Amino acid sequence: GAGVSQTPSNKVTEKGKYVELRCDPISGHTALYWYRQSLGQGPEFLIYFQGTGAADDSGLPNDRFFAVRPEGSVSTLKIQRTERGDSAVYLCASSPNQGSTGELFFGEGSRLTVL
Amino acid sequence: AQSVTQLDSQVPVFEEAPVELRCNYSSSVSVYLFWYVQYPNQGLQLLLKYLSGSTLVKGINGFEAEFNKSQTSFHLRKPSVHISDTAEYFCAVSGLGSNYKLTFGKGTLLTVNP
Repeated sequence: GAGVSQTPSNKVTEKGKYVELRCDPISGHTALYWYRQSLGQGPEFLIYFQGTGAADDSGLPNDRFFAVRPEGSVSTLKIQRTERGDSAVYLCASSPNQGSTGELFFGEGSRLTVL
Repeated sequence: AQSVTQLDSQVPVFEEAPVELRCNYSSSVSVYLFWYVQYPNQGLQLLLKYLSGSTLVKGINGFEAEFNKSQTSFHLRKPSVHISDTAEYFCAVSGLGSNYKLTFGKGTLLTVNP
C-alpha cells in the first residue's frame, strides 16, 4: 500500500512568489496534518484537518499561509508572497482518525527554498 | 502548552555498544509521549509511544523507552546498536486533549560507527 505522497519533493522559488504544496494521504485516512521543519529544528505543527474541514489551524504562522482539503483526501498548502524565512521542509502526515493511537504517518516532505 | 528538550544534538557510538538518547518534557497537563525516527531520505516513522499503563514501552528494532513522571523524562535506549540504526531521532509530546498536535524536540543524530 502507498504511503503519504508529497509533491513536489523540492521547490525553489523567488521571494514574493506564490507556492502550492500537495499532499496525498494514505487511502482511508480521515485525519491529515501539516507540519513545518526548519533547519536544525524539529517539526512544528501548522494545521490539522478532520475530513474536509480545518479542525485546528492555530499553527499557521500568518495569513500568507492557507491550506485546503476540498474532498477530504488530497490537501494543498498554499503560501502567498513567499519570504526567505518560509524556507523549510513542509511535512504532511495522515492517520486513520484523530490520532487516537498517537501514530501519524508522515510523507517525505516538500523542501521549499525561497531565494 | 508543552515543550521538549533533547539534551544531545549528536550521539556517536560504535556498533554493538549500548545507547541512550535523552528526552525531557514540560507540560501543565497529562501527556502522551513518542519517539519518531527519520532515516536518511525517508519520512518520519513512529518508533514507540507511551499512552498509559506500563511506564516501560518497547518499540520496533529493539528500542525501548521509560516514562518517568517525576523526572518528566522519556529516555530512549537500545542495548546493542547496529550500523542501520544511524538516523535522526525525535522525541515528541502531545496533550491528552489534542493528541494530533505533536510538539517535537530538535532531534538527536545517532551515528553508529563500525
